[in-house]
Amino acid sequence: GAGVSQTPSNKVTEKGKYVELRCDPISGHTALYWYRQSLGQGPEFLIYFQGTGAADDSGLPNDRFFAVRPEGSVSTLKIQRTERGDSAVYLCASSFQRGGHGGELFFGEGSRLTVL
Amino acid sequence: LAKTTQPISMDSYEGQEVNITCSHNNIATNDYITWYQQFPSQGPRFIIQGYKTKVTNEVASLFIPADRKSSTLSLPRVSLSDTAVYYCLVGAYSGAGSYQLTFGKGTKLSVIP
Repeated sequence: GAGVSQTPSNKVTEKGKYVELRCDPISGHTALYWYRQSLGQGPEFLIYFQGTGAADDSGLPNDRFFAVRPEGSVSTLKIQRTERGDSAVYLCASSFQRGGHGGELFFGEGSRLTVL
Repeated sequence: LAKTTQPISMDSYEGQEVNITCSHNNIATNDYITWYQQFPSQGPRFIIQGYKTKVTNEVASLFIPADRKSSTLSLPRVSLSDTAVYYCLVGAYSGAGSYQLTFGKGTKLSVIP
């Protein structure tokens, strides 16, 4: 497809379980971002990849959160020992821009995570 | 990171021009101003970006005064489909080199028939 694809669109899990959320960016986009959005709030930055490397993971809330992008395309956000407070919509975005003024981010529709 | 302040909500009738103003008093010299639109259950969508003066595209205009401490998004002749949350962002480089966009709570625009 032409846009950013995120799977699953919905994930319900139990407290303490492990989850993986996948992002397939637009082909050729080198920059990839993960954001988290809680109800009624704006998206909150989690991590930024430039190519395969995590250039900025300052937004990850704690060490239960981890993300990879091994081949510089698809990225997986991994959450260990999930907690109810992790419930949110996880958004992925990609971009052509490496530096400059940031350019336009193309967002996926998000993965809604519910931790029971 | 520059902080932005915008109204929590606005109402407008169909066909009217809507202006949403955002303040960003501590904007840095290299920062650009970007606006995104978000519909329920969708990711944000880029509307417009500018650095100074005026920028116009097919959907909106962005007015930025000389001091760049505020900006105004102008939507001409809104329709019901423009009902959404609008975010004003000022980008900044983080210490790790990424261009980090910080979203606030946005402005919820409701267009009334």
